[in-house]
Amino acid sequence: KNQVEQSPQSLIILEGKNCTLQCNYTVSPFSNLRWYKQDTGRGPVSLTIMTFSENTKSNGRYTATLDADTKQSSLHITASQLSDSASYICVASSTRNAGNMLTFGGGTRLMVKP
Amino acid sequence: NAGVMQNPRHLVRRRGQEARLRCSPMKGHSHVYWYRQLPEEGLKFMVYLQKENIIDESGMPKERFSAEFPKEGPSILRIQQVVRGDSAAYFCASSPPGQGGTTNEKLFFGSGTQLSVL
Repeated sequence: KNQVEQSPQSLIILEGKNCTLQCNYTVSPFSNLRWYKQDTGRGPVSLTIMTFSENTKSNGRYTATLDADTKQSSLHITASQLSDSASYICVASSTRNAGNMLTFGGGTRLMVKP
Repeated sequence: NAGVMQNPRHLVRRRGQEARLRCSPMKGHSHVYWYRQLPEEGLKFMVYLQKENIIDESGMPKERFSAEFPKEGPSILRIQQVVRGDSAAYFCASSPPGQGGTTNEKLFFGSGTQLSVL
C-alpha cells in the first residue's frame, strides 16, 4: 500500500530561524517526490518536484532533498518568515495508474512566530 | 490568466440534500482532478476527468457520488443524499494538455469548497 509519513506533525519556530521537515514514503513504482505549501483555507501550491535521479532542488529559501535508496525526503526552510506559516505537504508520485498517481502525506503544520 | 476557480467556497447542506461543487480549470487546461481532504489528513484522490470523459474514478465512493466535465462549462462534483461523514474540503486541480496522466504533470489547485453537513 502506498504511504507517505511526515514528521513532525506540527512545529513552531521563531522568525529568522531555519527548520527541516521530514518525509518517508513507500510508493511503488516510484516516479517523483513533490513538496507543496498549503496556506489555511487555500489549495496546495507546488514548491519542488524531484525525480529519483535528483538529490536536491531549491526554490528560493526552500531546499528539498531526496534519498531514493532510503525513501526519505526533507524540506529545509532557511531564514524563516512569518509568511512561511502554513502546512507543508510531501507527495510521492507513482506510475501505477493514470489518475491516482499521487499519494499525499498528512502535512507538517509550521507556525513562524515573531 | 485566472487560476483554478472553485465555487462555492463554503456550502452548508442538511442530511439528505444534494451538494453540487463546481470547478473551472485554468484556461487551456483539459485535465481535472478532484480530491477530498478531511481535517488533519492528507488529500485523497477521488476522480480524474478529461473533457466529456472519466479517465479514473477509482477513488470515488460507489454510491451517491458522481462527477462530470462537459464539453462546455465547469466540472461538477455531485453528492446526493449527503451524510455528516461527507463534511470535508473538496479540492479541484487541473493540468495542461499533454501532461495529464503523466508522472511529471504539474497540478494547479483551486482554493477548495468546504462542505458542511448539518
